[in-house]
Amino acid sequence: DGGITQSPKYLFRKEGQNVTLSCEQNLNHDAMYWYRQDPGQGLRLIYYSQIVNDFQKGDIAEGYSVSREKKESFPLTVTSAQKNPTAFYLCASSPGLEADTQYFGPGTRLTVL
Amino acid sequence: GQNIDQPTEMTATEGAIVQINCTYQTSGFNGLFWYQQHAGEAPTFLSYNVLDGLEEKGRFSSFLSRSKGYSYLLLKELQMKDSASYLCAAMDSNYKLIWGAGTKLIIKP
Repeated sequence: DGGITQSPKYLFRKEGQNVTLSCEQNLNHDAMYWYRQDPGQGLRLIYYSQIVNDFQKGDIAEGYSVSREKKESFPLTVTSAQKNPTAFYLCASSPGLEADTQYFGPGTRLTVL
Repeated sequence: GQNIDQPTEMTATEGAIVQINCTYQTSGFNGLFWYQQHAGEAPTFLSYNVLDGLEEKGRFSSFLSRSKGYSYLLLKELQMKDSASYLCAAMDSNYKLIWGAGTKLIIKP
């Protein structure tokens, strides 16, 4: 059963702590993406990766970091430098980076207290 | 700059037809996507248009006019389960998706 998984569904952290959000896909897709969704706004791109061991900053990369050591996995770390980290985080993947449909994981809702 | 506009909220009646409009301005254009998103869930892909015209897929159809920078999503025979947000996204010349804020569709019995 192919798809994208994100864990956990809900995550609570204290201010000043780093937290890592998991994203795994078994669709054999080359490209993976992290978005942030806030009420009343469109999805905003944090980071994306076209291939293993390579990733690029999106529009709002400050305060975030990623790695792409395996094709299947693209974890996102929300660092203490991120000013307003409470949001719904969505991971997506697509076969390639060009005009391919992006498929989304179920999302992680992060709340920083 | 790059921009997507779509209505914030729409209301329709079960069994009726609703049209959700989207206008876009992007640097280059590589297609227009529509996604459906139920509250608290992931967006799911509905349609992709890159050429002018209407694409029909069951109860859902999507239209594109590249010269006008305009698209719409048409939902027929509305069902209660169609209550969701509908996201419009245009792909620019760098294959980056520019997202609208979404249209919340409320279906009334």
